[in-house]
Amino acid sequence: GQQVMQIPQYQHVQEGEDFTTYCNSSTTLSNIQWYKQRPGGHPVFLIQLVKSGEVKKQKRLTFQFGEAKKNSSLHITATQTTDVGTYFCACGTSYGKLTFGQGTILTVHP
Amino acid sequence: DTEVTQTPKHLVMGMTNKKSLKCEQHMGHRAMYWYKQKAKKPPELMFVYSYEKLSINESVPSRFSPECPNSSLLNLHLHALQPEDSALYLCASSQAPGTGVSYEQYFGPGTRLTVT
Repeated sequence: GQQVMQIPQYQHVQEGEDFTTYCNSSTTLSNIQWYKQRPGGHPVFLIQLVKSGEVKKQKRLTFQFGEAKKNSSLHITATQTTDVGTYFCACGTSYGKLTFGQGTILTVHP
Repeated sequence: DTEVTQTPKHLVMGMTNKKSLKCEQHMGHRAMYWYKQKAKKPPELMFVYSYEKLSINESVPSRFSPECPNSSLLNLHLHALQPEDSALYLCASSQAPGTGVSYEQYFGPGTRLTVT
């Protein structure tokens, strides 16, 4: 099945700094989804990217899907303490199977 | 209502016990999922139900038995579990998957299971 590798595993930033997490696959992905899980919480859907080269923004968050549809990134501008949590990328199949990357744990120091 | 509810929130059970986890959604979703999540790891898919029929079983041991009584409810029956089965069990729902189409999943808060 499809696998996605996500880096880095951990990221510590000072509040106000930017943050980026990357997701890579050796095969072409039909789509990529991004989820955020707060400490002690559950995954919450952020966005889905489907088209080659797609870029979507949500306030301070920018999501990109690579031209070859083999990689994706999530960039947060000027992090805030509310951004702490684990960010997961996940690739979905038409059968409903969602395969998650290992996640990036973001810590924001005030 | 975009909420998925799960009960109980916490469960401690012995290796000889039988217990059930429950999940409910009222978003009209026709796909429901069970995931297992260990600390600092991603959710791992266990089962997928589509239109109340089991469509994916990720080679889960038979001590885990899923059930989908209707389109809003999903149960996970547990029997003779092992300590290594201790984890957060997450339920999720989505629109029913279609050919070439994948939908976002809505997760419940999870049941934190401890097997002693």
